[in-house]
Amino acid sequence: GQNIDQPTEMTATEGAIVQINCTYQTSGFNGLFWYQQHAGEAPTFLSYNVLDGLEEKGRFSSFLSRSKGYSYLLLKELQMKDSASYLCAVRDGWPDKLIFGTGTRLQVFP
Amino acid sequence: SQTIHQWPATLVQPVGSPLSLECTVEGTSNPNLYWYRQAAGRGLQLLFYSIGIDQISSEVPQNLSASRPQDRQFILSSKKLLLSDSGFYLCAWSLPADSSGNTIYFGEGSWLTVV
Repeated sequence: GQNIDQPTEMTATEGAIVQINCTYQTSGFNGLFWYQQHAGEAPTFLSYNVLDGLEEKGRFSSFLSRSKGYSYLLLKELQMKDSASYLCAVRDGWPDKLIFGTGTRLQVFP
Repeated sequence: SQTIHQWPATLVQPVGSPLSLECTVEGTSNPNLYWYRQAAGRGLQLLFYSIGIDQISSEVPQNLSASRPQDRQFILSSKKLLLSDSGFYLCAWSLPADSSGNTIYFGEGSWLTVV
């Protein structure tokens, strides 16, 4: 079956670092995506990993281990505007079907 | 650059009424198109995807249907809405399957409340 797990909620302090984990079990794998979704808005693309290792993009980094079925999103120098839900999604084969986790709601406090 | 638009942004419909949500993509040809639904407190659920005109695949059996009458137009419909159809509907697109590493981009979303 298809299963993607992420923590439901996390809290952190402004300026801190937070790591959001995602584990997956899918019938196929063709890449893992992270999206940010503010309340009431559409998801926006953050990062994409298809090979093992770390992808860095400004304050955000994403890591993938295909053998472990594991990814994390690392947010550095947290800002209040980073309060949002973060969605982990696996591309399951062709044609680019994305299977989403339920998302992690991150609250950043001053 | 590519853009995606969907409308209407919000919709309040009575049970049993019809539904039509429309989505268009600009700036690309032969995109893959998707309809997702996000119910309150739940993850995004893939409803339909399309790799070309009149080529629609359904992921979840339900009273919804999708059509793609033109290359960059994707329509989500229902003949009779149910209360359980309420949610946030998102249209999305990606480059054709032969473009490796491509991302799925979402439209602004449509809030549907069935009353």
